[in-house]
Amino acid sequence: AQSVAQPEDQVNVAEGNPLTVKCTYSVSGNPYLFWYVQYPNRGLQFLLKYITGDNLVKGSYGFEAEFNKSQTSFHLKKPSALVSDSALYFCAVRDGNTGRRALTFGSGTRLQVQP
Amino acid sequence: NAGVMQNPRHLVRRRGQEARLRCSPMKGHSHVYWYRQLPEEGLKFMVYLQKENIIDESGMPKERFSAEFPKEGPSILRIQQVVRGDSAAYFCASSPGTGEQETQYFGPGTRLLVL
Repeated sequence: AQSVAQPEDQVNVAEGNPLTVKCTYSVSGNPYLFWYVQYPNRGLQFLLKYITGDNLVKGSYGFEAEFNKSQTSFHLKKPSALVSDSALYFCAVRDGNTGRRALTFGSGTRLQVQP
Repeated sequence: NAGVMQNPRHLVRRRGQEARLRCSPMKGHSHVYWYRQLPEEGLKFMVYLQKENIIDESGMPKERFSAEFPKEGPSILRIQQVVRGDSAAYFCASSPGTGEQETQYFGPGTRLLVL
């Protein structure tokens, strides 16, 4: 079975400060990891993914994420937050060894960036 | 290049009625996925389809729910005899079908309210 934990329901950060949204995962095989962002009453927008290779993955809108195998984590980061980054962020995983395409999502973290 | 299209965006049904949700994948995509999001929760996988084939329906409730992706036309998620617990946002995603590591791109969702 695969699972994702996003331990923080909400993260508050001041505009211009760095932000981190945490994600830990559990899979039996090789993890394929994804971050998506959801704005109110909208669908999910893809930010970035880790399949293999460099542990630091760069994505859209200045976001990046670091894959840490020993800690089974895939935290989302941005050096300088914008008010427009305020949204709901979801981490997702699938097991690259099984061939199953179903993504397992975390419960989401609401990011609030204050001006 | 249009993204994943879903309609209707909002659907209101009374208990016992049928709900039909439509999803048109991105141009060139042949794989479709349906997910359900209950209020304040992450997305839960329901079903994965390719043209005219259901590949993985492990997340679909055994009764009242069905999905299809015909050779021509959109994918349809059908819920018969809806109950209040079916109220949720239903998201469709699509992917090209060209590789095992591909990204799923999500539509704006259909918000179903059962009265």
